[in-house]
Amino acid sequence: DAGVIQSPRHEVTEMGQEVTLRCKPISGHDYLFWYRQTMMRGLELLIYFNNNVPIDDSGMPEDRFSAKMPNASFSTLKIQPSEPRDSAVYFCASSPFMNTEAFFGQGTRLTVV
Amino acid sequence: LAKTTQPISMDSYEGQEVNITCSHNNIATNDYITWYQQFPSQGPRFIIQGYKTKVTNEVASLFIPADRKSSTLSLPRVSLSDTAVYYCLVTDSGYALNFGKGTSLLVTP
Repeated sequence: DAGVIQSPRHEVTEMGQEVTLRCKPISGHDYLFWYRQTMMRGLELLIYFNNNVPIDDSGMPEDRFSAKMPNASFSTLKIQPSEPRDSAVYFCASSPFMNTEAFFGQGTRLTVV
Repeated sequence: LAKTTQPISMDSYEGQEVNITCSHNNIATNDYITWYQQFPSQGPRFIIQGYKTKVTNEVASLFIPADRKSSTLSLPRVSLSDTAVYYCLVTDSGYALNFGKGTSLLVTP
């Protein structure tokens, strides 16, 4: 397996624009996680899915953020409208079970200007 | 969620053993202790996980005292390539992983 695949690797967008980040988890993994990393706050969990169903979205900062998992092999994190404070590295991770090793993608570096 | 406390940064020379201690005073009975490593521009990578006493793998050792209120990640004979951020997590069966800021380890020649 190629591991967790995220796209794009880098995204630069203007404030107010919609941004969509994409993730392909490892095949057979039932759990998918979205994280955000900044210098100020470290690595924060935004939302996670189990078998394509959102389980805990309490880390999603505002209504501008939304995440979907239409099938077992694809998930999106959308920000609409984007703001400069959303600039961060966004990671997607997957794991076969809860409380086992999570495998991370390479991340998407988002810059909102 | 059990909260963890670990040093913000540590320095070491090549070839030395590095011990990073994490405090988790309110750890629950079902919680496991997990450590991850993150290099710049990469996602975190699992290092080791344990419940009690000692766990060792090809990368590190994890020491957990009987009361489980702390744990120590031990990296034997570090090299420059061990420069990274190390995260201590206490994982509850009902919640996913939350990482915080970790310990930034700098290894110099």
